[in-house]
Amino acid sequence: DVKVTQSSRYLVKRTGEKVFLECVQDMDHENMFWYRQDPGLGLRLIYFSYDVKMKEKGDIPEGYSVSREKKERFSLILESASTNQTSMYLCATESEGLDFGEQFFGPGTRLTVL
Amino acid sequence: QKEVEQDPGPLSVPEGAIVSLNCTYSNSAFQYFMWYRQYSRKGPELLMYTYSSGNKEDGRFTAQVDKSSKYISLFIRDSQPSDSATYLCAMSAFSGGYNKLIFGAGTRLAVHP
Repeated sequence: DVKVTQSSRYLVKRTGEKVFLECVQDMDHENMFWYRQDPGLGLRLIYFSYDVKMKEKGDIPEGYSVSREKKERFSLILESASTNQTSMYLCATESEGLDFGEQFFGPGTRLTVL
Repeated sequence: QKEVEQDPGPLSVPEGAIVSLNCTYSNSAFQYFMWYRQYSRKGPELLMYTYSSGNKEDGRFTAQVDKSSKYISLFIRDSQPSDSATYLCAMSAFSGGYNKLIFGAGTRLAVHP
């Protein structure tokens, strides 16, 4: 079974703090993703990575950065947290099929910025 | 206009009912159509996927894709309380070197005994 773990289930931070969200996968997948999930908006892609030290912006990268120093670990960084970044953050990894790659999600981190 | 629109919930049905969940989309480049199920306080998990138009059945679940109408559906037969979850449709197209997924907002389903 694919396992995707996220460092925290719940996190409360103050405006302006630097926040690190960690994600670790155990399936040796190349592709990893960070999404945020908000009511009425679904999942929106923040950043993804297709290899170590490689990253690509998703649809809503503003205010975020990422780091992928090792294949199994993909970190999301909020440089200066703001209240509008209060959300559920989901990490995912993707299997490499010939035609279809299934995405496997972690349990999510619910971040509250005060 | 969003690329993917999903019927808002919540849906509340009695056990044993047939449930119909739907999404519409605007991008004709979408090729894979997925349904994810998300239980409370968990991440989404893939339930079914379909390539292009047609039907796919897996036990009590049937996924339908009508590309001419840009409309997809998930049917759940003999619904059970354990089916209570949020159902997210998702669609993908190969763009910029990778398969980009676009998700619907999700429909919350409650099946009561």
